[in-house]
Amino acid sequence: AQTVTQSQPEMSVQEAETVTLSCTYDTSESDYYLFWYKQPPSRQMILVIRQEAYKQQNATENRFSVNFQKAAKSFSLKISDSQLGDAAMYFCAYLTSGTYKYIFGTGTRLKVLA
Amino acid sequence: GAGVSQSPSNKVTEKGKDVELRCDPISGHTALYWYRQSLGQGLEFLIYFQGNSAPDKSGLPSDRFSAERTGGSVSTLTIQRTQQEDSAVYLCASSIRTSDTYEQYFGPGTRLTVT
Repeated sequence: AQTVTQSQPEMSVQEAETVTLSCTYDTSESDYYLFWYKQPPSRQMILVIRQEAYKQQNATENRFSVNFQKAAKSFSLKISDSQLGDAAMYFCAYLTSGTYKYIFGTGTRLKVLA
Repeated sequence: GAGVSQSPSNKVTEKGKDVELRCDPISGHTALYWYRQSLGQGLEFLIYFQGNSAPDKSGLPSDRFSAERTGGSVSTLTIQRTQQEDSAVYLCASSIRTSDTYEQYFGPGTRLTVT
C-alpha cells in the first residue's frame, strides 16, 4: 500500500525568507501524481502545486516550486519570499494514475514570522 | 463556476443523536470524496463515489457511518447515534478526470461537535 510521510509537524520562516517542506512517499507504481495542498485557518483546502511522475521537470507556480526526486521518492515544497498569508497547514498527497483514492500525509504547520 | 459547497458549516449535536451532512460537488465532477479531520490532524479517508461504480467504503470507521450520492451529484454523510469521538471537521471533495485534470477540489467543511 502507498504511504505519504511528512516528518516536520511544524516549521517557522521569517517573512520574505525561503522555506522547504519535506514529503516522502512509498509506492511500487511508476505512474502517479503528487500534490501539495494548503489549508489556512479558514480550513478551505487549496491546491498549491501538482507534479506528474513522468515529468522530469520540477513544477513551479509563482513563489512555489517542488523538488521532485523520483528515485528517492521525495517531493519537497519550496516557498520563496514567504508572506504572512502563507501561514497554513500544508498537506502532501499522492494518487496512483488510473485510480481515484488519494493518500495524504499528516501535514506540516507553517508559521510565518513578521 | 461555483465550488464545492457543504452544509451546515457547523453542527452541534447531543450524544446519541443522528446527523446528516450535505455536500454539493462541482457540477460535472464524477468523483466525490468524504474525509474526516480531527483537530490539528491530517485527513482520514472515509468514502468515495466514482460515477456509477460501487462506492469505496473502506474508510468508514463503523457501521454508524453511511453515505449516499443521489443522481450522481449531491451526497449526504449520515452518522447515527453520534459519539463524542465523532467530533471533527468533515471535508468533502470532488474531482473530474481528464487528460490533464486529476486534482481534488475541497469544500469548506462541516465542523461537527458532539456534546
